[in-house]
Amino acid sequence: DAGVIQSPRHEVTEMGQEVTLRCKPISGHDYLFWYRQTMMRGLELLIYFNNNVPIDDSGMPEDRFSAKMPNASFSTLKIQPSEPRDSAVYFCASPPKAGRAYEQYFGPGTRLTVT
Amino acid sequence: GENVEQHPSTLSVQEGDSAVIKCTYSDSASNYFPWYKQELGKGPQLIIDIRSNVGEKKDQRIAVTLNKTAKHFSLHITETQPEDSAVYFCAARREKLTFGTGTRLTIIP
Repeated sequence: DAGVIQSPRHEVTEMGQEVTLRCKPISGHDYLFWYRQTMMRGLELLIYFNNNVPIDDSGMPEDRFSAKMPNASFSTLKIQPSEPRDSAVYFCASPPKAGRAYEQYFGPGTRLTVT
Repeated sequence: GENVEQHPSTLSVQEGDSAVIKCTYSDSASNYFPWYKQELGKGPQLIIDIRSNVGEKKDQRIAVTLNKTAKHFSLHITETQPEDSAVYFCAARREKLTFGTGTRLTIIP
């Protein structure tokens, strides 16, 4: 199993542009989590899905952020329009197998820089 | 909501010595406590975890202890090695994980 896959690994964009981050979770799972990591705020949960349905999006900073999970193998996190304060590392995490949501395995992350 | 405090924020240990990192949590209903290791440029890696019905768990050089009454749990690394140098995060889960602020551990050769 390749683990959680994220793309791109690095993204540099200008303020106002749309950014889309992608995640392929560990196959056969039923949960997927999106986190953001910054020096100031540490690791924050943005949103999580169960069986492709968003369960808790209370961590999404504002309406500029949206996430989708069209199927069990793919999720996106979109920021539109992006702002410099969105600069962070974004992680996707999924459990190793169905029924073990509490064990979260993280992807390598996407480092986003908004200039 | 849950609040997790982690200490110390930085820790330097001589190679071969032991390292201890401590966390406290606020929600008595939290029932799962994982520890993650994060190396530079990588995502957090789950290294050990403990459930609320267990007081201690050990995996080779790593152990975790949990005191439910006091609402604190600790990570113990024995016989430290240079490759143990990283940032370590504790977390507590009731419905979702809440992370501590991290401890930067440096092993001095």
